[in-house]
Amino acid sequence: GQNIDQPTEMTATEGAIVQINCTYQTSGFNGLFWYQQHAGEAPTFLSYNVLDGLEEKGRFSSFLSRSKGYSYLLLKELQMKDSASYLCAVTGSNYQLIWGAGTKLIIKP
Amino acid sequence: DSGVTQTPKHLITATGQRVTLRCSPRSGDLSVYWYQQSLDQGLQFLIQYYNGEERAKGNILERFSAQQFPDLHSELNLSSLELGDSALYFCASSVVARANYGYTFGSGTRLTVV
Repeated sequence: GQNIDQPTEMTATEGAIVQINCTYQTSGFNGLFWYQQHAGEAPTFLSYNVLDGLEEKGRFSSFLSRSKGYSYLLLKELQMKDSASYLCAVTGSNYQLIWGAGTKLIIKP
Repeated sequence: DSGVTQTPKHLITATGQRVTLRCSPRSGDLSVYWYQQSLDQGLQFLIQYYNGEERAKGNILERFSAQQFPDLHSELNLSSLELGDSALYFCASSVVARANYGYTFGSGTRLTVV
């Protein structure tokens, strides 16, 4: 079957660094997305990885290892506004997105 | 503003009723996706349309139906509503039918069934 696993919830301190992991098993792979979703709001695009390696975008970076079926989202210099859910989604062989359940990130002062 | 417009933003209705949710995609986008998100749950894919044609179907109940019109706006019809249908319903759009180009989400319709 197809499956995406993420931790349900993580807690981190303002100013620190946090890494949110995502593992996937899908039939085919055509890219992996990370989205941020604040409570009650729409998901917003953070990053897209299709090749192995690290993509850096400001305070956020995303890493992909296709051979391991693994990705992580790294958030640096955490701010209170980073408190949100982070959704991992994989494009499978039929080019449809398969979504993880999301990781709720709680930032403490 | 993402460019994807959903109306209404909030809807409260009684069990057994029927409602219609509307989505206008971002200008130039041909593909529309509908998602359901219950409280503290993940996104559940319902259905995708591309240029007026149904492209993919997810876990959409038989009580739910959708269509995409020639002007590319889409409507999601929910009938015989149950308490468990209370959720946020998101529409997303993309340029092409392939999801690896990413989606842009609308701000959602919050449906409350009482």
